[in-house]
Amino acid sequence: DSGVTQTPKHLITATGQRVTLRCSPRSGDLSVYWYQQSLDQGLQFLIQYYNGEERAKGNILERFSAQQFPDLHSELNLSSLELGDSALYFCASSVGITGGQPQHFGDGTRLSIL
Amino acid sequence: SQQGEEDPQALSIQEGENATMNCSYKTSINNLQWYRQNSGRGLVHLILIRSNEREKHSGRLRVTLDTSKKSSSLLITASRAADTASYFCATDARMDSSYKLIFGSGTRLLVRP
Repeated sequence: DSGVTQTPKHLITATGQRVTLRCSPRSGDLSVYWYQQSLDQGLQFLIQYYNGEERAKGNILERFSAQQFPDLHSELNLSSLELGDSALYFCASSVGITGGQPQHFGDGTRLSIL
Repeated sequence: SQQGEEDPQALSIQEGENATMNCSYKTSINNLQWYRQNSGRGLVHLILIRSNEREKHSGRLRVTLDTSKKSSSLLITASRAADTASYFCATDARMDSSYKLIFGSGTRLLVRP
């Protein structure tokens, strides 16, 4: 058990809709990362937060946004969903923001767009 | 874009055999990590090797790093059916005021009982 909790595990919705994915990091970790994993794109970094502040942004679409709350849990909001957004979305956490730190992953949210 | 490329893409071996996976990367690194992903689950950190290290061991895992060739290998000795999973290498990339991990495309390992 990584200590990282993601909800929901599965999400099925339609194109054009908006969903919110939630992540609770491992106790003591201040950094939260979001990743998208799809068959054709592999594991792609989306965004990182550290202690409530956005610290790094990757290949995140403008339709997607995230935030980290004072209790350190994080939410990833996906709007105007398209078929191509179907993927596994992972949250990971680490203690800090320096390089060379292991990241601890949740089991992901599988998003299916119909 | 992927920083690391794993080779082979897929590997099938018999239980008890050794499994070797390779990772090549493009830019200079400070460290390299290996992760395992069981089907439908999140990634699990296996081992981290720093750029000034050439070899590191953890249980049945042995990782080597050759910075001159920009490559790393993961050896799993005496494999078990439970080792069946995808294995990814990952390198740090400085981004904005932090670091992000860039993952390779992964090696799918099947260990046959």
